[in-house]
Amino acid sequence: AQSVTQPDIHITVSEGASLELRCNYSYGATPYLFWYVQSPGQGLQLLLKYFSGDTLVQGIKGFEAEFKRSQSSFNLRKPSVHWSDAAEYFCAVGSANAGGTSYGKLTFGQGTILTVHP
Amino acid sequence: DADVTQTPRNRITKTGKRIMLECSQTKGHDRMYWYRQDPGLGLRLIYYSFDVKDINKGEISDGYSVSRQAQAKFSLSLESAIPNQTALYFCATSETSGPAKNIQYFGAGTRLSVL
Repeated sequence: AQSVTQPDIHITVSEGASLELRCNYSYGATPYLFWYVQSPGQGLQLLLKYFSGDTLVQGIKGFEAEFKRSQSSFNLRKPSVHWSDAAEYFCAVGSANAGGTSYGKLTFGQGTILTVHP
Repeated sequence: DADVTQTPRNRITKTGKRIMLECSQTKGHDRMYWYRQDPGLGLRLIYYSFDVKDINKGEISDGYSVSRQAQAKFSLSLESAIPNQTALYFCATSETSGPAKNIQYFGAGTRLSVL
């Protein structure tokens, strides 16, 4: 069964500092990978996705993530954090068969809460 | 207006009561999902529906039931609510085909407290 691990429950950074949120997945076939953000009182918003191709993907709000198959990782990065980035971040994996046909279900990690200090 | 609307946004109920959470969408998607979110556990899938006649259990369906009244409506029921069903519940939708069917669009959530 597929699984996703976000090792950091809570991260605190200063505004303007760089950010990296870790995500490790376990899945035997082709993974589809996602990062979602949840602001307080809001639903989840898609930040970025990886389906295939270039392993460095760009998302909204200045975020990027890099897929590393050898490390089963999909870490989220941002070079300079803004106070408005304070939120909870979820990594998710969607499954597909060996031929790349998606099953259309997602498995989520436990989430990482980001606090930004002024 | 939001593409995925959940009602109510907040609900407090008592143990043993039956409660229904509703979800409607204007995205025209066939696929709909119900999740619950608990601190430190992320989102866990309760039920999902790939079309009106196709409903499936997720990883934590015990104590819950669903109804897909139409393409745009998917309701979650707690037949006899218990305190450990206190959580934040999310509805989501996705497309039917291609890699894009992995992209899920979420409602704002329903915060449920069972006393």
